[in-house]
Amino acid sequence: GENVEQHPSTLSVQEGDSAVIKCTYSDSASNYFPWYKQELGKGPQLIIDIRSNVGEKKDQRIAVTLNKTAKHFSLHITETQPEDSAVYFCAANSYSGAGSYQLTFGKGTKLSVIP
Amino acid sequence: NAGVTQTPKFQVLKTGQSMTLQCAQDMNHEYMSWYRQDPGMGLRLIHYSVGAGITDQGEVPNGYNVSRSTTEDFPLRLLSAAPSQTSVYFCASSNDRGNNNEQFFGPGTRLTVL
Repeated sequence: GENVEQHPSTLSVQEGDSAVIKCTYSDSASNYFPWYKQELGKGPQLIIDIRSNVGEKKDQRIAVTLNKTAKHFSLHITETQPEDSAVYFCAANSYSGAGSYQLTFGKGTKLSVIP
Repeated sequence: NAGVTQTPKFQVLKTGQSMTLQCAQDMNHEYMSWYRQDPGMGLRLIHYSVGAGITDQGEVPNGYNVSRSTTEDFPLRLLSAAPSQTSVYFCASSNDRGNNNEQFFGPGTRLTVL
């Protein structure tokens, strides 16, 4: 099955600096890579996703890059703000049969933005 | 539009007790799933369903049962609770039967088994 590794497990940055979180995956057939943000006491929420037919996607201060050859993808947050403090999860899909896919999640990165 | 709702928010069980975690969505999503979240372990898939009457196992299915009699509801049953099932449980749904689109998560149920 799919294996997703995520680094670092914790990350502290000064407000205004950039943050980068990296993930690797094992299943070369994976073609969908979402990122979720989880605030304290809440369920995860999708912030950006990328499919295997593109190498980069950007949404305001958030960008994701994908290198299919190396099987890794990264989340970039620029001009960080205190409200970016949360746990971030990467994920990759894998085929589970009958036309459906499962998501395998990384173990998460706790991002702290210091004012 | 309430999205994905879960009840209860908190639950304490004794070893050997059984219970059902409730999950409902009002978005007419075909795909629904249950995850457990443990410290340092990320989210692990327990069971999922691609539509009413269809369920399948995920990564960690042992000790849990599910059924999907309607599109809206996807309850998770703990047959005989064990301390190893102490966790936070999240239900999620997606409008993509193939689950290659955004999953919407509920607020979670925090379960403690003594």
